[in-house]
Amino acid sequence: GQNIDQPTEMTATEGAIVQINCTYQTSGFNGLFWYQQHAGEAPTFLSYNVLDGLEEKGRFSSFLSRSKGYSYLLLKELQMKDSASYLCAALIQTPGGSYIPTFGRGTSLIVHP
Amino acid sequence: ETGVTQSPTHLIKTRGQQVTLRCSSQSGHNTVSWYQQALGQGPQFIFQYYREEENGRGNFPPRFSGLQFPNYSSELNVNALELDDSALYLCASSLASTSMSVTQYFGPGTRLLVL
Repeated sequence: GQNIDQPTEMTATEGAIVQINCTYQTSGFNGLFWYQQHAGEAPTFLSYNVLDGLEEKGRFSSFLSRSKGYSYLLLKELQMKDSASYLCAALIQTPGGSYIPTFGRGTSLIVHP
Repeated sequence: ETGVTQSPTHLIKTRGQQVTLRCSSQSGHNTVSWYQQALGQGPQFIFQYYREEENGRGNFPPRFSGLQFPNYSSELNVNALELDDSALYLCASSLASTSMSVTQYFGPGTRLLVL
């Protein structure tokens, strides 16, 4: 089966740096998404990694290691508004050729002053 | 805002009833995916439609069915509702030149409560 693991909850201080890890065990892996979801709202796209390495986008960076089945999302200069759930999702290609995103349970990040 | 709209925003049904949820994709997008998100969980993929045909399906029973229309709007139908169907239902649209969609834009969701 497909398995995506990420911590349930993390806390951090405003202005600090936090790293949210995601490990996956899947077949047919194509790439790794990160989404942000505020309480009661829809997920919003943050990043999509296909190749190994780090991709930086402003305060947010995402890393992928395909050989290790591992990704992380790095948030710098944390702001109170970054308090949200962060969802890791692997894009899986099925034997039938379709592509299915498989989400983890999400990591609830709490940023405090 | 992503330009993806869903209706209704909230819905209450009783066990055994049927429900239809609607989604209007972002302009120019030809692919729509539907997800079920239970409280405290990540979204679970139900199915995806590309150019009006089902393009992939998650681990959901046949009583979950869908349609995509020529204008790329979409419906999710659930028959014989069960209590466990209570969840937030999200649709996401994307533009795919092949059958693989990459960046998806989510709508605000429909919160369904089954009593």
